Amino acid sequence: NAGVTQTPKFQVLKTGQSMTLQCAQDMNHNSMYWYRQDPGMGLRLIYYSASEGTTDKGEVPNGYNVSRLNKREFSLRLESAAPSQTSVYFCASSETVTQPQHFGDGTRLSIL
Amino acid sequence: DAKTTQPPSMDCAEGRAANLPCNHSTISGNEYVYWYRQIHSQGPQYIIHGLKNNETNEMASLIITEDRKSSTLILPHATLRDTAVYYCIVRVGIQGAQKLVFGQGTRLTINP
Repeated sequence: NAGVTQTPKFQVLKTGQSMTLQCAQDMNHNSMYWYRQDPGMGLRLIYYSASEGTTDKGEVPNGYNVSRLNKREFSLRLESAAPSQTSVYFCASSETVTQPQHFGDGTRLSIL
Repeated sequence: DAKTTQPPSMDCAEGRAANLPCNHSTISGNEYVYWYRQIHSQGPQYIIHGLKNNETNEMASLIITEDRKSSTLILPHATLRDTAVYYCIVRVGIQGAQKLVFGQGTRLTINP
């Protein structure tokens, strides 16, 4: 069982470049989430999708866009990357919004 | 939003019970307490959650005080692989969906 798969695992960008982080889950979950984690800090919610066809902002949505492509896939896009977006990005999914979330292993993104 | 307070770090000897405390004095009546852990460089891992009653699963036990203002996660026989950052989280509702707000967590070190 793959669970939650994130690609790529590592990426280096230059300021101003765009990039899409991919996330897919094979657990038939309805809800999906994107978090970022900065050094020494806990995770902060960027966007979430309670169910296919819906997306909503979390705590730190500025500079990001998301697409719930289908039930399995939830992508995060940086249109114009900034150094402040250097972080580890985690995708998660849950059966419903009230169930425990299962996380991928993260994408480590550096913006120079 | 309910906030949680955890000690920044704790040590425990291998084979002993690890008891991790968490204060959530502003928790409201319908908010669940969740525990996750994060082993270095991996995605967070769900451990257990509860509302009012004590809970136990194959990983841990969760003791919630009667007034629900604090809880304790118990790892009954800690091993070196339990070294991780442990997050106590109160689930917060947003427009029918729910989000997890991760704080700083407790860095638990299991010593041989």
